[in-house]
Amino acid sequence: DSGVTQTPKHLITATGQRVTLRCSPRSGDLSVYWYQQSLDQGLQFLIQYYNGEERAKGNILERFSAQQFPDLHSELNLSSLELGDSALYFCASSVSGVGEKLFFGSGTQLSVL
Amino acid sequence: DAKTTQPPSMDCAEGRAANLPCNHSTISGNEYVYWYRQIHSQGPQYIIHGLKNNETNEMASLIITEDRKSSTLILPHATLRDTAVYYCIVRVSGTYKYIFGTGTRLKVLA
Repeated sequence: DSGVTQTPKHLITATGQRVTLRCSPRSGDLSVYWYQQSLDQGLQFLIQYYNGEERAKGNILERFSAQQFPDLHSELNLSSLELGDSALYFCASSVSGVGEKLFFGSGTQLSVL
Repeated sequence: DAKTTQPPSMDCAEGRAANLPCNHSTISGNEYVYWYRQIHSQGPQYIIHGLKNNETNEMASLIITEDRKSSTLILPHATLRDTAVYYCIVRVSGTYKYIFGTGTRLKVLA
């Protein structure tokens, strides 16, 4: 158990819908990362937050947004969903986000039908 | 943003050492090299990291070349449970991005 909690574990929805994925980092970790992994693909970096502020952005679509709240949990919002958004979404956390190991959650499997 | 190059797949006999190479020719002088692995569709698991010197922990050893342009992860006695995708990553210089490549799919054979 990495200490990073992601909910829900599975999510099935339809095209055009909007969903929210939640991540609770390890106790004491201030930084949260979001990654997307499509079938048989590597992990695509989406976005990173540190203590509530956006710190780094990857190939995140405009239909996607994220935020980190004062209690340090983070949410990834996916809107106007398309079939191609079906993927595993991982959250990771670290203490400060610089030069440290990342602890990953078990992921949210999103299926868009 | 691809910063590392790894072979797509490797096989290793159970009980033998698995040596997984990684090229990171554009690594900056103060950037660490990190290794993670992903078993099936679980969340990636940290293995080891290093800057210049060779490193060893309970899971693996990391050998970094003197010019730091490549490294090798060594699993000394591979078991079937080590079958996984192994990722070598470095931080994108000047950013806080940790970019995972496509990794090496290691299959340990009985």
